[in-house]
Amino acid sequence: EAQVTQNPRYLITVTGKKLTVTCSQNMNHEYMSWYRQDPGLGLRQIYYSMNVEVTDKGDVPEGYKVSRKEKRNFPLILESPSPNQTSLYFCASSLSIQGSIQYFGAGTRLSVL
Amino acid sequence: AQKITQTQPGMFVQEKEAVTLDCTYDTSDPSYGLFWYKQPSSGEMIFLIYQGSYDQQNATEGRYSLNFQKARKSANLVISASQLGDSAMYFCAMREYQGSNYKLTFGKGTLLTVNP
Repeated sequence: EAQVTQNPRYLITVTGKKLTVTCSQNMNHEYMSWYRQDPGLGLRQIYYSMNVEVTDKGDVPEGYKVSRKEKRNFPLILESPSPNQTSLYFCASSLSIQGSIQYFGAGTRLSVL
Repeated sequence: AQKITQTQPGMFVQEKEAVTLDCTYDTSDPSYGLFWYKQPSSGEMIFLIYQGSYDQQNATEGRYSLNFQKARKSANLVISASQLGDSAMYFCAMREYQGSNYKLTFGKGTLLTVNP
């Protein structure tokens, strides 16, 4: 089954404790992206990657890191999480840079205490 | 100015009736794409339908159709024969070229409630 898989689905952590949210797609997609969704602010792009070893900042990259060492994986790293990073996070992928359809993972609900 | 505007924070519809969710957009990119996603209460983001800016015909996917009026910059979602399972948040989104990124920008969403 073609899908974008995020883990974990739910995470509660404390301020400053490094964490990684994994994202993997099995569709051989070139383009991958991370979004966060907050009430009243909608979905905002954090980082994106056009291919292996090519990543760039989105609209709200502060406090996040990403890497794209393999085509299928695009982890989101929070080196020192803070409470304002409490949010619903989505990973998405699409076949090419031109996009066509972006398919989303099921989301990760993160709470930073 | 907002790139994507969804003017209906909430909508109600009776089961089996049709409903239209409004979306207007703003872009100077001649080659853009318009999407609708559904987000049920469980949280996942489900792709529904896509319309490219050069597509001549309105997109349809089962009970979903996109009423694309390019001159008016509107891309309304029509759901025919509503079902209880259609109750969810619906997001309109636009893909446009910005710098080196084909960026997806979302509207604020419309919460649809289907009444039995």
